[in-house]
Amino acid sequence: SQQGEEDPQALSIQEGENATMNCSYKTSINNLQWYRQNSGRGLVHLILIRSNEREKHSGRLRVTLDTSKKSSSLLITASRAADTASYFCATVLNQAGTALIFGKGTTLSVSS
Amino acid sequence: KAGVTQTPRYLIKTRGQQVTLSCSPISGHRSVSWYQQTPGQGLQFLFEYFSETQRNKGNFPGRFSGRQFSNSRSEMNVSTLELGDSALYLCASSLGTSWGDQPQHFGDGTRLSIL
Repeated sequence: SQQGEEDPQALSIQEGENATMNCSYKTSINNLQWYRQNSGRGLVHLILIRSNEREKHSGRLRVTLDTSKKSSSLLITASRAADTASYFCATVLNQAGTALIFGKGTTLSVSS
Repeated sequence: KAGVTQTPRYLIKTRGQQVTLSCSPISGHRSVSWYQQTPGQGLQFLFEYFSETQRNKGNFPGRFSGRQFSNSRSEMNVSTLELGDSALYLCASSLGTSWGDQPQHFGDGTRLSIL
């Protein structure tokens, strides 16, 4: 079963606009990760945020984490057509390993 | 550094057959995980191997199995294929630290189609 649930399921914006995707999860976490998937390809890791962090930046990406609400958000600023992809949040199954539980993802479409 | 390599990229099988998929992780990575991706169920965890031992297993029937070799390369096998097994199978490798505290690196997957 999915641990994280992304919202919205689909998002269409124009180039230059900001895109915000939200993720909710069910159990306590050690960290939360965001991945991007271009059509028909594998996933690419974007950001890992630990449970004791509230915000993290990487280039045009900003991730926030609210453990009290069991939610996270991914903000992409000044979107480009190349940002068109599906975005997934993921949490780790357990302490023993690295198995990830993914949400259903947000499909982002950026038009020029 | 070479990325995660999955072979083959595409595979067509018929119901009842069996299939073996291969994954070569990034050099130095000891953990390999497998995921199934379908439009209906999304990304679902199959199993994880670390140093040749299965460390975690997802909720899939026994027809799905895997193994890891001493060089960290991994294979997964699906026996008695069903139409519902049509999916993109993704492999990911990482250093394998506990709590998955490191990013996972994914291959481009094997697209399996069952006729």
